[in-house]
Amino acid sequence: GAVVSQHPSRVICKSGTSVKIECRSLDFQATTMFWYRQFPKKSLMLMATSNEGSKATYEQGVEKDKFLINHASLTLSTLTVTSAHPEDSSFYICSASLGRPYNEQFFGPGTRLTVL
Amino acid sequence: EDQVTQSPEALRLQEGESSSLNCSYTVSGLRGLFWYRQDPGKGPEFLFTLYSAGEEKEKERLKATLTKKESFLHITAPKPEDSATYLCAVAFSGSARQLTFGSGTQLTVLP
Repeated sequence: GAVVSQHPSRVICKSGTSVKIECRSLDFQATTMFWYRQFPKKSLMLMATSNEGSKATYEQGVEKDKFLINHASLTLSTLTVTSAHPEDSSFYICSASLGRPYNEQFFGPGTRLTVL
Repeated sequence: EDQVTQSPEALRLQEGESSSLNCSYTVSGLRGLFWYRQDPGKGPEFLFTLYSAGEEKEKERLKATLTKKESFLHITAPKPEDSATYLCAVAFSGSARQLTFGSGTQLTVLP
């Protein structure tokens, strides 16, 4: 149980284009989903917290107009990187919480974004 | 400031050589401490949740323990397939379900 999928696993795009990453909880309903960014040999950096049916809460320094998050259902959240630039190249990982306070998060396999 | 510190940064063991990884935390109102395993190029895999001092959890060669200031992940007779980065994270009062992660311990088990 508690499986989270992400699609695509890898994406290469040209500078200036937008990229959408999907995160799905496959066998449970996730009222809260999280989006992280991870740089090589570094720990996870929380970008935003997403609650179903409401606007995402972004961490300080994360541009909400660049990283659009939509949590349309209890099993799906999407992250759209708009007008991507090479500095947006990174490993993006989503996670989903079962919804009880302070419970563990279950992570997706991650998406490697490369912007040329 | 709430902090999570993991040590050592990297650890190399021979197969069968038991050891422990440390995660120390300075948070107000711990609501849970979580251990994850992360393989290169993959998302973290959930291992354990610990909620109160004195609690212990086991899974195969791994055992996690918790005190009021730190947690240990004990690895008994490790195998090469245990090689990975082990991440510790905490949830605390007022964190709104967010986790604060340590920087991880990169474990390499040599055959």
